[in-house]
Amino acid sequence: NAGVTQTPKFRVLKTGQSMTLLCAQDMNHEYMYWYRQDPGMGLRLIHYSVGEGTTAKGEVPDGYNVSRLKKQNFLLGLESAAPSQTSVYFCASSGDRLYNEQFFGPGTRLTVL
Amino acid sequence: GENVEQHPSTLSVQEGDSAVIKCTYSDSASNYFPWYKQELGKRPQLIIDIRSNVGEKKDQRIAVTLNKTAKHFSLHITETQPEDSAVYFCAASIGGYALNFGKGTSLLVTP
Repeated sequence: NAGVTQTPKFRVLKTGQSMTLLCAQDMNHEYMYWYRQDPGMGLRLIHYSVGEGTTAKGEVPDGYNVSRLKKQNFLLGLESAAPSQTSVYFCASSGDRLYNEQFFGPGTRLTVL
Repeated sequence: GENVEQHPSTLSVQEGDSAVIKCTYSDSASNYFPWYKQELGKRPQLIIDIRSNVGEKKDQRIAVTLNKTAKHFSLHITETQPEDSAVYFCAASIGGYALNFGKGTSLLVTP
């Protein structure tokens, strides 16, 4: 099993450009999450999904949109990138509602110029 | 949102010494408390977790304690080794299916 995978690994955008980050998991997990990680700020939840076709806002959702059209995929979109969105983005998935052991992907390093 | 406070932000110990990292949380409904280790340039990985019906859990050199009344939990690493050097994150469950993470502790173990 590949676990949780993310594409791309690195990306450089110009302000105002758009892009989509893809997260895929092969563990048949119901729950999927997008985090951003900035120095000294820990992991902050952007959006999450509790099942196919559902999404919800996390702590820092502004400027991002998500979709969960298939159970195994969770997409994070930036419609108009800003320098403040320069960060490392991690996707995670979990199969247990009560005890949330989350499995993380390898991360995407995004730079917005 | 609900906060998880983590201290210290940096910790330096000598090889063989113990390291303790402490976290407090504010949501009394939290019932799951994992700890993640993140090496430089890598993804966070679960090292140990504890559920609200347990006060202490050990796994070889790592232990976690939980005080639900005081709303704090701690990570204890004994006989530290250089390979323990990493950033450690505590987290507390929120809403039954999400986690709120602390800001991390950068642990350095010097030979």
